[in-house]
Amino acid sequence: KAGVTQTPRYLIKTRGQQVTLSCSPISGHRSVSWYQQTPGQGLQFLFEYFSETQRNKGNFPGRFSGRQFSNSRSEMNVSTLELGDSALYLCASSLEPEDTDTQYFGPGTRLTVL
Amino acid sequence: AQSVTQLDSQVPVFEEAPVELRCNYSSSVSVYLFWYVQYPNQGLQLLLKYLSGSTLVKGINGFEAEFNKSQTSFHLRKPSVHISDTAEYFCATRQETSGSRLTFGEGTQLTVNP
Repeated sequence: KAGVTQTPRYLIKTRGQQVTLSCSPISGHRSVSWYQQTPGQGLQFLFEYFSETQRNKGNFPGRFSGRQFSNSRSEMNVSTLELGDSALYLCASSLEPEDTDTQYFGPGTRLTVL
Repeated sequence: AQSVTQLDSQVPVFEEAPVELRCNYSSSVSVYLFWYVQYPNQGLQLLLKYLSGSTLVKGINGFEAEFNKSQTSFHLRKPSVHISDTAEYFCATRQETSGSRLTFGEGTQLTVNP
């Protein structure tokens, strides 16, 4: 089985622009979560989707949004980029409800905001 | 609210020596506990998890962890490390009512020297 894939792997944007990141979960997984990883703040939860519904949302401003499609692929969007949005964005999928607690992470998208 | 504290940000050890990475958690409700590993330029990989039952949990790559409810700890151990164990290790918790959402510690960089 293919693992979790994230595209693109690297992205460079300038302040004020917007960006869309994509995550394809493992086949059959309906739960997708997103995390932001920075040296200063560590790993922080962004949001979680299950069967196209946002189930949980972390403490991030409204500039951060996401969605999930019927095939479980997920996208996250960041509008009006700020320098502090530079980070590694990770997504994870799990086979819920059968195995919620084995989450598989993708390699991440490294976003640099100039 | 739940939180996770990893007591050491960096742990240097020599090859074939034993290692312990320390993790304390706080939560007002029952939690599930995890250890993840992150190799450079990669996503996170699940090492082991504690959901219930035996307090000694064995994971991949020879790692094990012990859940101690009275001390609210979940320390990770390996009796003999290899150069290839050099990576960052994250302790995490999940609450039963929080979907797939994980709360991570700050991470511990394990460096194995020859």
